[in-house]
Amino acid sequence: EPEVTQTPSHQVTQMGQEVILRCVPISNHLYFYWYRQILGQKVEFLVSFYNNEISEKSEIFDDQFSVERPDGSNFTLKIRSTKLEDSAMYFCASSGQGAREQYFGPGTRLTVT
Amino acid sequence: AQSVTQLDSQVPVFEEAPVELRCNYSSSVSVYLFWYVQYPNQGLQLLLKYLSGSTLVKGINGFEAEFNKSQTSFHLRKPSVHISDTAEYFCAVSDLGGFKTIFGAGTRLFVKA
Repeated sequence: EPEVTQTPSHQVTQMGQEVILRCVPISNHLYFYWYRQILGQKVEFLVSFYNNEISEKSEIFDDQFSVERPDGSNFTLKIRSTKLEDSAMYFCASSGQGAREQYFGPGTRLTVT
Repeated sequence: AQSVTQLDSQVPVFEEAPVELRCNYSSSVSVYLFWYVQYPNQGLQLLLKYLSGSTLVKGINGFEAEFNKSQTSFHLRKPSVHISDTAEYFCAVSDLGGFKTIFGAGTRLFVKA
């Protein structure tokens, strides 16, 4: 069964550094998303991406964040200058035509020290 | 805007007992409804979804949920739980455009022997 994959599974970085989290959505999906989950808290929507542009973003998704689909398979989330409070699990998701249920990847745990 | 309220943060239950995890939502538009399960240190797995049609939906692992539009609820039930059902359960809602999914705070189901 096709699935969303994410790399790396765990990323440790120092405050102020740039990080890029990578995702490979399900191959025929058209809609792509990033969510985050701070430890012990709920899953929060960050951004959705369709037709090579952001379709919606939350207030969390400020100028420090960007997304890109650099080729036909990858979908990336970049954090330009990480802060301690960016430490969280970041989930990528994708959905197909009609954008109904979203399929989630296993997540990347980002630790900012 | 949508919101989701999960009324119980923790639900302890004995093995083979029935369980109900409660979820209420708020939205000014029609929505899709979902339940996701998150096992420790893992990603989100879709348990079941309501898109349209029958208000009683069945999912994986013997779970089912009933959509009640008048009460804006989507409670999750299982007639007999197993130890392996111990996990965090998230209720979620998205509008029909599907560009983002809003999650509840989660309910930790703890099944005791």
